[in-house]
Amino acid sequence: QSVLTQPPSASGTPGQRVTISCSGSSSNIGGNPVNWYQHLPGTAPKLLIYTNNQRPSGVPDRFSGSKSGTSASLAISGLQSEDEADYYCAAWDDGLKGHVFGTGTKVTVL
Amino acid sequence: EVQLVESGGGLVQPGGSLRLSCEASGFTFSSHAMSWVRQAPGKGLEWVSSISGSGFNTYYADSVKGRFTISRDNSKNTLYVQINSLRAEDTAVFYCARTPIACTSPSCYSDYWGQGTLVTVSS
Repeated sequence: QSVLTQPPSASGTPGQRVTISCSGSSSNIGGNPVNWYQHLPGTAPKLLIYTNNQRPSGVPDRFSGSKSGTSASLAISGLQSEDEADYYCAAWDDGLKGHVFGTGTKVTVL
Repeated sequence: EVQLVESGGGLVQPGGSLRLSCEASGFTFSSHAMSWVRQAPGKGLEWVSSISGSGFNTYYADSVKGRFTISRDNSKNTLYVQINSLRAEDTAVFYCARTPIACTSPSCYSDYWGQGTLVTVSS
């Protein structure tokens, strides 16, 4: 089971700002970088944010990440219809000695 | 262009075995660590295993340790995972993913992913 906790859903109207939280512990988020992935079922997951707040080339600056203590957040500003997808946080867990993913958040654009 | 194409999925009976492949192109395969991540129906992403660029170092999730074996053939630009003693709970889409070249630690993120191959375990 997932050791990183996310809200199951989030929604907003076009242009709004949506924030997704990711809660972990000292063995994962508290001591390691957090990464975020966007996933449309049936397609390849896409790296959205790496090392807490870095955006890969090609990812719009509407997406931003932050981390504080044992929690992290992904913010989507200027929400667009193409942002409808599942979003996962992830981090290395020093205790499990493996990668752990969040429970996933489905973002809906109303 | 980086491309990762998984294959080898299908319907398998409980207790059976399967080998999944991931053919890579568009980058120097041997320079990158690689991983397998799966997603069971209606569930989230779950990390399965990772392997260093040389193939010397491997890492497994506790849930698959002893049943899954990750490997790679750098001469064929291909990543593999051998899955034995398949269980119903192994039913999932399996994705292969690439680690950035600058990242040599097993804790690094994945920057490119394939579209996945479906494994269904059922009698």
